[in-house]
Amino acid sequence: GENVEQHPSTLSVQEGDSAVIKCTYSDSASNYFPWYKQELGKRPQLIIDIRSNVGEKKDQRIAVTLNKTAKHFSLHITETQPEDSAVYFCAASASGNEKLTFGTGTRLTIIP
Amino acid sequence: SAVISQKPSRDICQRGTSLTIQCQVDSQVTMMFWYRQQPGQSLTLIATANQGSEATYESGFVIDKFPISRPNLTFSTLTVSNMSPEDSSIYLCSVVGGVGTGELFFGEGSRLTVL
Repeated sequence: GENVEQHPSTLSVQEGDSAVIKCTYSDSASNYFPWYKQELGKRPQLIIDIRSNVGEKKDQRIAVTLNKTAKHFSLHITETQPEDSAVYFCAASASGNEKLTFGTGTRLTIIP
Repeated sequence: SAVISQKPSRDICQRGTSLTIQCQVDSQVTMMFWYRQQPGQSLTLIATANQGSEATYESGFVIDKFPISRPNLTFSTLTVSNMSPEDSSIYLCSVVGGVGTGELFFGEGSRLTVL
């Protein structure tokens, strides 16, 4: 089955700086890679996703890059703000299989 | 999108008892997924609930411990049986928001504490 590894487990950055979280996956059949944000005591919510037919996707301050050859993908958050503080999870799934395998999570803290 | 209601939102249970969690979705969906999130940990898929057939369990999870019902396309239940303190977790119901999107929507979760 799929195995998703995520680094770092914790990350602290100064407000306004950029944050990068990296994930690797094992199953070459995986082709859908979402990122979820989970604020304390709340449910996970999708913030951005990418499919294997593209290498990069941006949505305002958030971007995701995918290297299918190396089986890794990354989340980039620019101009970080205090409200970006949360736990972020990467995930992967294969086409036709809506089952997601999640990474271990990164606790991001933005220092004012 | 999908709106998912889960209950109970939290409960404190005694060792050896069982608790059933309910999940209601505002639209018909083929598959419903049950995840477990242990304190400070990631989300682990327990099983996929299919309407009209047996649930499909992931490695490490068995039907006797986590029986699932799926009586129709908008509702599912997960029972945590014969609970022990190790079962203290948040249990989340989820569905895919739209055909081909892949985006999972989660319920608010049911936080179980087993004493």
